[in-house]
Amino acid sequence: QKEVEQDPGPLSVPEGAIVSLNCTYSNSAFQYFMWYRQYSRKGPELLMYTYSSGNKEDGRFTAQVDKSSKYISLFIRDSQPSDSATYLCAMSKGGSYIPTFGRGTSLIVHP
Amino acid sequence: GAGVSQSPSNKVTEKGKDVELRCDPISGHTALYWYRQSLGQGLEFLIYFQGNSAPDKSGLPSDRFSAERTGGSVSTLTIQRTQQEDSAVYLCASTRDTNTGELFFGEGSRLTVL
Repeated sequence: QKEVEQDPGPLSVPEGAIVSLNCTYSNSAFQYFMWYRQYSRKGPELLMYTYSSGNKEDGRFTAQVDKSSKYISLFIRDSQPSDSATYLCAMSKGGSYIPTFGRGTSLIVHP
Repeated sequence: GAGVSQSPSNKVTEKGKDVELRCDPISGHTALYWYRQSLGQGLEFLIYFQGNSAPDKSGLPSDRFSAERTGGSVSTLTIQRTQQEDSAVYLCASTRDTNTGELFFGEGSRLTVL
């Protein structure tokens, strides 16, 4: 079993939909949680960063961490075709500077 | 440019040949990472450099893989005697602050081993 599990999709939604992307993990030592967005043939770029449990909002994006369930989510409101990309969750342990990444979920937002 | 620069962007080689992939991090970023991304797979950690400290090589998959970072800046990832399973996109990232998890990635070097 991988430390970080993420459904690869693809997830196809209509423009304007609310998107929910999720990851589960097995190592309770993870404390820092990140979401990266990767467009085709580009490198990943950081979208959201959270520490420990709770919610964080940035514009149309909300990141949620539930450490008791070892489950993290990224919500995208009012999704746009430009949101079509692969979304990778990543997490790291306290004292470790090496994030562990999920496989990524491919999101397609169609007009 | 101000971003992480990787070269070559594409490399096709024959099985058994050696390849070198180059990464030029963002100026002032002391931490540098190499990851590998295979088709449909997540990012697999390979090696991490931080300043003048000894690199963390725990992710290198075999002794055919090595990397160095000269002068705390440019890094080269070398794969000797390439195998078909080495075909992947090799991503380099750098950061000034390892606490935030915000890595700045290059566009990757796409390696195809025939």
